[in-house]
Amino acid sequence: DAGVIQSPRHEVTEMGQEVTLRCKPISGHDYLFWYRQTMMRGLELLIYFNNNVPIDDSGMPEDRFSAKMPNASFSTLKIQPSEPRDSAVYFCASSLGQGLGSTEAFFGQGTRLTVV
Amino acid sequence: AQKVTQAQTEISVVEKEDVTLDCVYETRDTTYYLFWYKQPPSGELVFLIRRNSFDEQNEISGRYSWNFQKSTSSFNFTITASQVVDSAVYFCALSDTGGGNKLTFGTGTQLKVEL
Repeated sequence: DAGVIQSPRHEVTEMGQEVTLRCKPISGHDYLFWYRQTMMRGLELLIYFNNNVPIDDSGMPEDRFSAKMPNASFSTLKIQPSEPRDSAVYFCASSLGQGLGSTEAFFGQGTRLTVV
Repeated sequence: AQKVTQAQTEISVVEKEDVTLDCVYETRDTTYYLFWYKQPPSGELVFLIRRNSFDEQNEISGRYSWNFQKSTSSFNFTITASQVVDSAVYFCALSDTGGGNKLTFGTGTQLKVEL
């Protein structure tokens, strides 16, 4: 398997524009996570899905952020409208199962978002 | 609520020195997992180890070793004979047994290994 694949790797956009980040999890994994990494807040969980269903979105900063998982092999994180404070590295991760039988979370390479 | 504290923001060592990265955690769960991830300058997050709360055996993998002590809620990471390639940010993380290992991360320790 190629691992978790994120696109794009880098995104520069102007304030107010819509931004869509994409993620393809490892085949067979039933959990998908979106994390954000900033200097100020470190690595924080935004939202996670189990079997394509959003389970906990309490980390989503505000209504400008939305995430979807239309099928087991694809997820998007959308910011509309984008603001400079959204500039960060966004990571997608996936894992299989929970409890003792689970795997660790495997991370994608991240998308570095810059909003100017 | 879960919390992970990595009090060491940055550590600098000379190559071949041993170095220990500290991690202290807080959780009300009796069953949980602890992790270490490495983030090299290229930016990706690389999994290093996972331990569950019932297994306090120390683990050694090559130059890496981990010391898990429930009595002090610590999960420390030691690199023996450090190398320049070990230079990275190291994150300790905590997960409960549900949620597919959704992680609460510490703030990370920047390790710089110099010649």
